[in-house]
Amino acid sequence: EVQLVESGGRVVRPGGSLRLSCIASGFIFNDYSMNWVRRRPGKGLEWVSGINWNGEKTDYAGSVKGRFIISRDNAKNALYLQMNSLRPEDTALYYCARDPIYDSSGAYFDYWGQGTLVTVSS
Amino acid sequence: SFELTQPPSLSVSPGQTASIPCSGDKLGDYYICWYQHKPGQSPVLVISEDTKRPSGIPERFSGFNSGKTATLTISGAQPMDEADYYCQTWDISTSVVFGGGTKLTVL
Repeated sequence: EVQLVESGGRVVRPGGSLRLSCIASGFIFNDYSMNWVRRRPGKGLEWVSGINWNGEKTDYAGSVKGRFIISRDNAKNALYLQMNSLRPEDTALYYCARDPIYDSSGAYFDYWGQGTLVTVSS
Repeated sequence: SFELTQPPSLSVSPGQTASIPCSGDKLGDYYICWYQHKPGQSPVLVISEDTKRPSGIPERFSGFNSGKTATLTISGAQPMDEADYYCQTWDISTSVVFGGGTKLTVL
């Protein structure tokens, strides 16, 4: 059974940093691209970032480019999102999602985690 | 920037067919996927690559892309189908794009 478990979300002040983690199980992690998608309060789904199977290709939404960094550790079946210079508008539930398109840095998402909540507030 | 447009809401009676449209420029150049998102749950992929239904998704869910509009159709909608539905596409130049979502009410 495919499982994606996110962690790391918490309350952080504007300008602060946070690292989200996603631990995968139930599939061969390094066969798949992975992504982060968020849902802000009262808003729709928004893609944040994607990374290909070996970490050599990454892509970001314009709203986070230059502030967020996606990475992965295939030995630990782990996906990460380093979030810097956080803003109140980054407040959201952040989902880790598996991407079935080989070697993409963002396509579509066949399995999702339960999400981890990030709140940016003073 | 590339955009996908959906109506904010749609309401149908149980047993009726719900058709959720998704419009965008030159949609025929893209694959469209659809997700169901219920409150407190993770999003679920219900249609991939315009028409493919993943394992475990009921047959009443179907998708079509005419090139001008993509449509998610729920034939014989049930109260359990109440959710937000999102269309989504991707491309090297556009990256990943979601539609704004449609809140489906079945009552």
